[in-house]
Parts: sequence; structure tokens; C-alpha cells
Amino acid sequence: DAGITQSPRHKVTETGTPVTLRCHQTENHRYMYWYRQDPGHGLRLIHYSYGVKDTDKGEVSDGYSVSRSKTEDFLLTLESATSSQTSVYFCAISESLELQETQYFGPGTRLLVL
Amino acid sequence: GQQLNQSPQSMFIQEGEDVSMNCTSSSIFNTWLWYKQDPGEGPVLLIALYKAGELTSNGRLTAQFGITRKDSFLNISASIPSDVGIYFCAGKHNNAGNMLTFGGGTRLMVKP
Repeated sequence: DAGITQSPRHKVTETGTPVTLRCHQTENHRYMYWYRQDPGHGLRLIHYSYGVKDTDKGEVSDGYSVSRSKTEDFLLTLESATSSQTSVYFCAISESLELQETQYFGPGTRLLVL
Repeated sequence: GQQLNQSPQSMFIQEGEDVSMNCTSSSIFNTWLWYKQDPGEGPVLLIALYKAGELTSNGRLTAQFGITRKDSFLNISASIPSDVGIYFCAGKHNNAGNMLTFGGGTRLMVKP
């Protein structure tokens, strides 16, 4: 298994509070991704990073920000959580952008916004 | 953003039966991937397909990259209880680098 951990694994928070999720990798992969998973929607890309301090938006980036100060860590922040952000969040990593390169996923963080 | 159409959404089958599921898209993909997600875990790659018409097996799993490059199929033969989970297809396009577009998933339930 790829060395990817996510913390916390579960979180309950209230609307309007800030939330930060952490993804940590031990593979030294350049690319890291944050997805959210909702029933019937599969996984949708929120933000991704192509290097330290280099990030870009994905399909559903509104309401989220990210930071990557070290190769191994990619943080996802909900500045002011809303109920629509209740979801399961997955981090993924990949070594390159080559088409043959696989993305490996972390175990997920289940977030409930009340 | 575009989402792949994956069907069926769920299946409840008897142990030992064969399973088929598919993904279709309105646009062309250059790579098709099939992932399985066990409860409480992240998706794990099962099979990757890189050429139109390609047929690839991984144990009891067989996947095909459609000739039109707009679809892909996954078959599971002689299902067993541990096949339970959600199966996702994902596509990649040359113009999108390593960005994945996911299907909505097929939830498979196997009755012993």
C-alpha cells in the first residue's frame, strides 16, 4: 500500500467553523490531490498540487483552499464550513502526470457539518 | 464538470454468479481505470487500460477498453463474498494530464 495517511479520520463540526484536513505521504510523490465523495457522484476533484507551494483548482473548489509547504503534506481547509460540505474526503498522490501513472488514495476523512 | 455514466448503480447477486458493469462517456478517453472501494477505505486500483480494444485480466476480473474509446466494461467471474464493495470507473484524457473523471460507482452486494 502507498504510504498515505489522512487526519482526522472522522470529524463533526458546526456550520461556520473552520476545518483543516491533513494528508501526509511517505512516497515523495510530486502530485497530491483532494477529492470529495458523495453518493451517486463518484469522486470529484477539489484541488491538486504539482509541487511545494504549487496548487491549482479542480472541479469543485469553491469554499475550499489548500496549502502545500512540504512535499509530504497537503492541507485542505474549509474556511467556514457549510452543511453542503458534509462528505467523505480523499487524498491521492501520484508520481507524475503521465497517463500511465496511477493515483493512489488515502483512507479518507468523514466530515459531518451540523 | 463531466461525469462518466456508470451502470448499474447497484447489484445484489448470489455467490458464484458472474457480474458485468460498464461506463460510458460522451467524450473520448485515452486511459480507463477501474477501482474498488471497500467500506471505510479509499479506492484501490484494479485494472488499467491504455489502448482502444484492449482486454486485460486480473484474476477473476476482466476489463475492456471500448473500441470507440468512449466506454469500458468490467466483468467479475464466479463472485465471492469479498467482492462486496463499490466499483468505480475513471477516465483520463491527454488534454487533462493525470486528472481523473470518475463514474458514480456500482455498489456490489454478494449473498453467500
